[in-house]
Order: sequence, then C-alpha cells, then structure tokens
Amino acid sequence: DVKVTQSSRYLVKRTGEKVFLECVQDMDHENMFWYRQDPGLGLRLIYFSYDVKMKEKGDIPEGYSVSREKKERFSLILESASTNQTSMYLCASSRLGQSRETQYFGPGTRLLVL
Amino acid sequence: QKEVEQNSGPLSVPEGAIASLNCTYSDRVSQSFFWYRQYSGKSPELIMSIYSNGDKEDGRFTAQLNKASQYVSLLIRDSQPSDSATYLCAVVDSGAGSYQLTFGKGTKLSVIP
Repeated sequence: DVKVTQSSRYLVKRTGEKVFLECVQDMDHENMFWYRQDPGLGLRLIYFSYDVKMKEKGDIPEGYSVSREKKERFSLILESASTNQTSMYLCASSRLGQSRETQYFGPGTRLLVL
Repeated sequence: QKEVEQNSGPLSVPEGAIASLNCTYSDRVSQSFFWYRQYSGKSPELIMSIYSNGDKEDGRFTAQLNKASQYVSLLIRDSQPSDSATYLCAVVDSGAGSYQLTFGKGTKLSVIP
C-alpha cells in the first residue's frame, strides 16, 4: 500500500525559529513535492524534486528551502519562520516520467507560527 | 500561468441525488486529469483519473472529459452524507518534465440527509 508520512501533524513555532518539516515515502518514487494549502488559495506548490539532490522552485519558494539527500526523504526548511507561513503543509510523491502517474499525499502538517 | 477553475460552492444536494462538479482548464495540451477528495482537516486522496475524451465510471463516480471544450466533470450518483467534502480538480502540466499538477481551489460539496 502506498504510504507517505510526515514528521508532525501539528507544530507550533515562534517567529524567527528555523523549522524543519520532513516527508518520507516508501514507494520508491522519484518525484516529491511540497505544497501549502490556505483557505481560498488552494494548493500552492513550494518546491519539488525529481531526483536525489535535485530541486526545482515551485510557485511560491520565497522563505523556504528544501533538501533531498535520500530518494525516500524530502525536507522542507523554513529558515526564519514568519506568521504568514502559518498554514497546512502537504507533501506528495509520484513516479517520474509518466503523465498518468498520480501524486500521493501525506497526512499534512498544520504549522502555527506565533 | 496555467489555470484550473472550479466553482467554490458550497454545492448542496439531498441524499440520494446526483452531485455534479465541474472544472475548466486553460492548457490545451493537458493530457491527464484527476479528481481528489479532501475531507476537512485531512489530505487529498485520489478518487478518479481520466485521460481520454468521454466518460469513465467507477462505482458511484463518473468522470467526464471534453478536451475540445477544456472541461472535465465529476458526477456522484446516489450521493451520501459521507461524500460531503471538498473536491479538487487537478491537471497535469505537460510542459514540465516532472509532470507537475495544477490544482483548482476545490468545490465544497454538502450532502443533506
């Protein structure tokens, strides 16, 4: 069974803190994605990766960075958290090279920045 | 910027009725289309995919695709209260080698018992 896990379901951080969100998939997928989801704005792509050590900016990369040292793990880093980064963060993965391959989502991390 | 448009709703239907959810997209060369269901506070889960013009049925769900009109829809027959959720339409960005998805903002469906 397909499985994407995220390190935390809920997280509360202070403004200025460095925040790490981790995502692990067990499907040997090449592609991994980080989205944030906000009411009225839908799902917005922050970063994605199609291979180890490779990364590409999505639509809203500002204030975020990512790391992919192993195929199964994709980390999202908030270098200095701000209140406008309070959101639901969703990780997803998919196979490379097939347009018919769907993305499978993790359970999400709800981050509150105070 | 590729766009996927959905009516935000809420769409309210009585239990047992047919719910019809619609989606239009701007990228003419898109080839793959997906419907995700998202319960409140949960992550999206795939319920249907469609790649060719016409209808595709899976249980109570039917996806319909019309590439000429750049339109994809989802019909839910015999709607149940458990179908109450937000439904996201997603379209593959065929211009990106990694096949990114562009999501609509979702239609909130409420099935009234």
